[in-house]
Amino acid sequence: SQQGEEDPQALSIQEGENATMNCSYKTSINNLQWYRQNSGRGLVHLILIRSNEREKHSGRLRVTLDTSKKSSSLLITASRAADTASYFCATVTGSARQLTFGSGTQLTVLP
Amino acid sequence: ETGVTQTPRHLVMGMTNKKSLKCEQHLGHNAMYWYKQSAKKPLELMFVYSLEERVENNSVPSRFSPECPNSSHLFLHLHTLQPEDSALYLCASSQTESYNEQFFGPGTRLTVL
Repeated sequence: SQQGEEDPQALSIQEGENATMNCSYKTSINNLQWYRQNSGRGLVHLILIRSNEREKHSGRLRVTLDTSKKSSSLLITASRAADTASYFCATVTGSARQLTFGSGTQLTVLP
Repeated sequence: ETGVTQTPRHLVMGMTNKKSLKCEQHLGHNAMYWYKQSAKKPLELMFVYSLEERVENNSVPSRFSPECPNSSHLFLHLHTLQPEDSALYLCASSQTESYNEQFFGPGTRLTVL
């Protein structure tokens, strides 16, 4: 069954603006990961946040995790046209022993 | 370039054909995965291999048959597929079956006529 649900399903912004995507999940997790997928290509790992962490940064990316609300957010600052892609959250739970992906957010950054 | 390659990149096959998808990783990883990505559906895990042994099979129909001859190569053998099997098939690898970062190949776009 689907664990992560991204919101919004689609997001369109102007270059230079910030983009925020949210992920909600149902059961307790070991870690939560964000991936990017350019159209018709493979996924690229962006960042992993563990259940005992609340925030992580990587370049222009900032991920937060709120285990009490079972939610995470991905913030991309100063977006660029090259950030146009689908973004997926994926959760790892102790019992499932697998990465469970959400349906993704399609981000379009307009030049 | 993630260090995971997949061939072919595109495949069109009839329902009675037999074909194979190939995945190779150049990262020295011990775990490899097959995923199916259909339009408007979340990525679905199909098979997991760890140290060349299958450790996960998520109720995948028998018309999909995986093979892992060594830790660098993974195959997905296809036979008598259905049109609904048309999808992007993604291979991934990770250092161990630890479900930390996974490295994905570019995928094989499969169309079943």
